[in-house]
Amino acid sequence: RKEVEQDPGPFNVPEGATVAFNCTYSNSASQSFFWYRQDCRKEPKLLMSVYSSGNEDGRFTAQLNRASQYISLLIRDSKLSDSATYLCVVNANTGGFKTIFGAGTRLFVKA
Amino acid sequence: GAVVSQHPSWVICKSGTSVKIECRSLDFQATTMFWYRQFPKQSLMLMATSNEGSKATYEQGVEKDKFLINHASLTLSTLTVTSAHPEDSSFYICSARDGTAIYEQYFGPGTRLTVT
Repeated sequence: RKEVEQDPGPFNVPEGATVAFNCTYSNSASQSFFWYRQDCRKEPKLLMSVYSSGNEDGRFTAQLNRASQYISLLIRDSKLSDSATYLCVVNANTGGFKTIFGAGTRLFVKA
Repeated sequence: GAVVSQHPSWVICKSGTSVKIECRSLDFQATTMFWYRQFPKQSLMLMATSNEGSKATYEQGVEKDKFLINHASLTLSTLTVTSAHPEDSSFYICSARDGTAIYEQYFGPGTRLTVT
């Protein structure tokens, strides 16, 4: 089983749609969680951190459920510019700092 | 946010040659730098972690004699791909961590290596 699992997609949605991405992680000692965005042939860029209390940044809402070891990202009112790959990232500090990237979920937003 | 640069951004080399990739933190001191590799349509895979002034820690399956990492200063780490082969063609990305924020990584723009 992969340490961080994501639905690879692709998700094809029209502009204005709401889309949700899920991610599960296997290491219960994981301590911090992030969503990154990666455009084609570019480096990943931090989109937002994820907290148990949930956090929102404009059209983006991230949620963490530690009991279920589950992370989500919700994008409302999708824009064409949201088309990218969204990476779920989990950090743990067990015997050394370790960052694990999910394989990413591809999103295509169409006009 | 913090800035990390990589050089070169792309390189084409012949089989058997060596290629050096530089990763620099431009506005902070990076106590730790990470080197990742990403094949098309796959996730980033951590190759090694380097701490300034000490030997790099390589992930399982990554040959340390083939991928030489040097982290000689707090702002520079280099990855040398020795005796490159076509299967080494990939997107190599470095990231750097500021010593004060242990969970935040800043990524370089990546280096696309093509070995012919």
